[in-house]
Amino acid sequence: QLVESGGTLVQPGGSLRLSCGGSGFTFRNHWMTWVRQAPGKGPEWVATVGQDVSEKHYADSVKGRFTVSRDNAKNSLNLQMNSLTPEDTAVYYCARHPRGSSAFEIWGQGTRVTVSS
Amino acid sequence: DIRMTQSPSTLSASVGDRVTITCRASQTIERYLAWYQQKRGKAPELLIFDVSSLESGVPSRFSGSGSETEFTLTISRLQPDDIATYYCQQYHTFWTFGQGTKVEIK
Repeated sequence: QLVESGGTLVQPGGSLRLSCGGSGFTFRNHWMTWVRQAPGKGPEWVATVGQDVSEKHYADSVKGRFTVSRDNAKNSLNLQMNSLTPEDTAVYYCARHPRGSSAFEIWGQGTRVTVSS
Repeated sequence: DIRMTQSPSTLSASVGDRVTITCRASQTIERYLAWYQQKRGKAPELLIFDVSSLESGVPSRFSGSGSETEFTLTISRLQPDDIATYYCQQYHTFWTFGQGTKVEIK
């Protein structure tokens, strides 16, 4: 099971930190990813971290502004989001996958981020 | 970047109909292709991975086929529970989703 938290209303230019807790599986054995979905749109990959944090990847749309991290001891995944714009408004999901080049087998329920003044 | 294009955008069919959704990749993705089902207000759920492998618990009326750049998702006999939006996803180079196909019951 994956449970996201931290979503809220934030002003443009602001920062926000999302978290995702994993349970019921061996968290450290899985790659973890953030995916977002803007209202009425399809899912958009945001950021991914490998099992041992040595490998991280970011979508061009968030590179330099967002930072993904994980704490395998706490079974947690985080997304630090800075310099937020209205285009970042979306439901943010965390998802797990067994390796880099693989589909997302389990998703959380999502947490809503609204960037607006 | 690899772009994924789905067709049609919306599909209306009767219960029991055979339904086919197409997904095209802008370059070859070999067999790194998945399909997801998303019901209203819910997170996407994995249906099929590696083009044609059914995720555990997914009904056998769902099937996938294709290779390289052209792929299809087929629902052999549409059921009311299949009302949803379906997305293809490539994971050959990072991860990209199609724009979705909304399936409605006629």
